[in-house]
Amino acid sequence: DIQMTQSPSSLSASVGDRVTITCQASQDIFTYLNWYQQKPGKAPTLLIYTASNLEPGAPSRFSGRGSGTDFTLTISSLQPDDVATYYCQQYGDYPRTFGPGTKVEIK
Amino acid sequence: QVHVMQSGPEVRKPGSSVTVSCKASGGTFSAYSITWIRQAPGQGLEWMGRVIPLTDATYYAPQFQDRVKIFAGDSASEVSLELRNLRSEDTAVYFCARGPTIADTFDIWGQGTKVTVSS
Repeated sequence: DIQMTQSPSSLSASVGDRVTITCQASQDIFTYLNWYQQKPGKAPTLLIYTASNLEPGAPSRFSGRGSGTDFTLTISSLQPDDVATYYCQQYGDYPRTFGPGTKVEIK
Repeated sequence: QVHVMQSGPEVRKPGSSVTVSCKASGGTFSAYSITWIRQAPGQGLEWMGRVIPLTDATYYAPQFQDRVKIFAGDSASEVSLELRNLRSEDTAVYFCARGPTIADTFDIWGQGTKVTVSS
């Protein structure tokens, strides 16, 4: 199985800060990488697909980069509505796997 | 716009089975794959398996291979997950999610179904 790691596991930042979350795959997954946002008690929602494509309807302050084994999700200006847990997910091979998540809070 | 509704919460005893369903409104699942993902209390997301309703093709995660079945109804607007030989570790919220058949990118999710396994 492809193992996904994320860092940090949690972070606290101020409104307006630039926030970056990293995701690493245990083997090359090209750009077969998605990012999801999950708020407490809710289903996840798709933010970024194929590493760098913003899902329609997702705020433009979210962006994704990377290929191969190393990926990042950036929030250009953190907003109170961004308090959530963020997961990366690979679809380069079966079984599909998710990262352990990064919990984002407001300082 | 397709909406996805899941069946209600379930409580089961260890060793029993549970079936959770996922129904589309405003469209069908025929042009997509449907995946089941679960989340244990306070934990992350775990991919369980998928079905393509148009072909009934399935793929299961190895850890569930021997006790899970994912299948579509005749109308391709309903997909179900059957999990057998339940254990306490199966207590979780189970989500269905829609994606393109060629890529597991989940753009529409159900609201989740809580399954509790307890003696």
